[in-house]
This record gives sequence, structure tokens and C-alpha cells, in this order.
Amino acid sequence: EKQLAESGGGLVEPGGSLRLSCAVSGFIFTNAWLHWVRQAPGKGLEWVGRIKSRAGGETTDYAAPVKGRFIISRDDSKTTVFLQMNSLKIEDTAVYYCSVDSGHSVAWWGQGTLVTVSS
Amino acid sequence: QTVVTQEPSFSVSPGGTVTLTCGLSSGSVSTSHYPSWYQQTPGQSPRTLIYSTNTRSSGVPDRFSGSILGNKAALTITGAQADDESDYYCMLCMDSGISVFGGGTRLTVL
Repeated sequence: EKQLAESGGGLVEPGGSLRLSCAVSGFIFTNAWLHWVRQAPGKGLEWVGRIKSRAGGETTDYAAPVKGRFIISRDDSKTTVFLQMNSLKIEDTAVYYCSVDSGHSVAWWGQGTLVTVSS
Repeated sequence: QTVVTQEPSFSVSPGGTVTLTCGLSSGSVSTSHYPSWYQQTPGQSPRTLIYSTNTRSSGVPDRFSGSILGNKAALTITGAQADDESDYYCMLCMDSGISVFGGGTRLTVL
């Protein structure tokens, strides 16, 4: 069964850091490209970034609002993908979803983890 | 900055057919953007309907179909049902490597 389980969300002050994890099972993880997508309260979906597989050079790309502040990494031995979020802003408050790519799309979704940036 | 455009809202009668579109603020959408479509009901994770323009995700009924219509990607729902009432999002992959979601379309079935 394909499963994705995000963790690590919570309350953080502006300027702080947080690291999200996503445990993935049921996939050939080493071949998987992985995305992070977020959704602010009452708003639409926003693509955050993506990491390719090792065969793809583990290349990362990021949306403009998070580029230079967020870092996506992966640990194939633990079938886990991470989102390191630094210099957090109030506007980063959102539910963060990890997902597995198929056909250059977000194909499978986790349940999401809530990140709240507030003083 | 790339903006992906969608109709903010749409309505369809039960049993009817509706086509939602996904465009670019500058330029045309093509298969090289790998258009994908997502359905989301309040409080739930999104569900992938269509990827790579017209490939249905596993378990998605065939009354959902994707295509390119003119210079936009399109999602057509035939025989609309009450539980199709949801928010629908498209996503496009850009040459730069980034992906961008549209603002979403709220579909009402009435």
C-alpha cells in the first residue's frame, strides 16, 4: 500500500526554523521524485519544491517565495524526504503536503502537517 | 512571473457536462507543460485526477478527462454528480523546472 506520512509541523516564531519529515512506503523510493506542496488557510495549493531521484542527480527546484530559505533533501536508506525551512515568515503558515511524482505531476499525497508561524 | 489561470467558479447541473480550463498569463499551454488536475473537498488532502495532459490516475472514473483545447489545458466532467462539487486545481511544469498551480475553480453542482 502506498503511504506518505508527514511530521514535524508546529508553532514557530517568525525568523525561526523547522524541519519537516515525510516517511514514504509502498514505492520504489530510490526512483521517486518527490514534491512538497503547501496550502495556506482558506487558500489554494502552492507548489513549494521538488527533489529528483539519485539517478536524476537529486536536483532540486524551488518556488520563488521559498528559494534560498527552504531546502529539500532525501534519505533513500530511510525512504524519507525532508523540508528544512529557515527564516520563516508569517506567510509560510500552511498545511504542508509531501507527495510522489508521476508523469511530472503530484500523484500521491500525504495527509499534511500544519506549520504555524506566529509570535 | 508565471501565472496559471483558472476560472474562479463554475456551475453545472446534475448529469451535465462542464469543461474547466487552465491557461498561462503569457503563452500557450501544451503537452510539454504536463498539465495535471486535482480535486479537493474541504478538510481533505487533494486527489490527483489527471496527469500528463490526459492520463487518469488510478481509480478515477472515466467521466473525468483531460485534453488541450486551443491554447489551454482542459478538464471535462461528463455526467456531473453531486459529489463532484469540489475545488479543482491544475498544475503546469515550466521549462525552468518549477511547477505552478492555478488559483483553483470552485465547482458547484446544482
